[in-house]
Amino acid sequence: EIVMTQSPATLSVSPGEGATLSCRASQSVSYNLAWYQQKPGQAPRLIIYAASTRATGIPVRFRGSGSGTEFTLTISSLQSEDFAVYYCQQYNNWPPLTFGGGTKVEIK
Amino acid sequence: QVHLVESGGGVVQPGRSLRLSCVASGFTFGSHAMHWVRQAPGKGLEWVAVISYDGSDKKYTDSVKGRFTISRDNSKNTLDLEMNSLRAEDTAVYYCAKERDSGGCLDYWGQGTLATVSS
Repeated sequence: EIVMTQSPATLSVSPGEGATLSCRASQSVSYNLAWYQQKPGQAPRLIIYAASTRATGIPVRFRGSGSGTEFTLTISSLQSEDFAVYYCQQYNNWPPLTFGGGTKVEIK
Repeated sequence: QVHLVESGGGVVQPGRSLRLSCVASGFTFGSHAMHWVRQAPGKGLEWVAVISYDGSDKKYTDSVKGRFTISRDNSKNTLDLEMNSLRAEDTAVYYCAKERDSGGCLDYWGQGTLATVSS
């Protein structure tokens, strides 16, 4: 099973600032990496797939990068609606699909 | 647009059963694999099961093998999860999710249904 590790667990950011979230895989997942956003009481929402492709309707301020075992989600100029928990997920070698533990982006 | 609506959650005693359902609309249901993903209260996401577009192939996470059964009815656009021999650790919000193309990326999720296993 591929283990996904996200850091940091919590990121405190002021509105308008940028945020960088990290995700590491225990073995290479190539580019088969997705990022999801989840707000309290809501379902997860796909924001990035194939490591760097924005999903439908996702603003350009969300940028995914990386390959192999190291991935980054960068959010430039955080808006109020961006404060949420973000999960990475690999789909290169499954089952099982595996998720990281999440990074909570909170208002500083 | 794509819409996934789960139902069937509730409170059940350990060892009992529960059947969750998901009704899909807004896309060609019979062309996509479908998944169940769960989230225990205050915890992260855990993949549970997948069923292929035609129902011929099913996979499960180890902790539910032999207890849970995923199924689908493409004539009714429905996805089910039969959960037997339930344990306290199965308590979670269960989401159904659509696979994007093939490969395991989940592009649409339902709002979830809460299953609570407690005596």
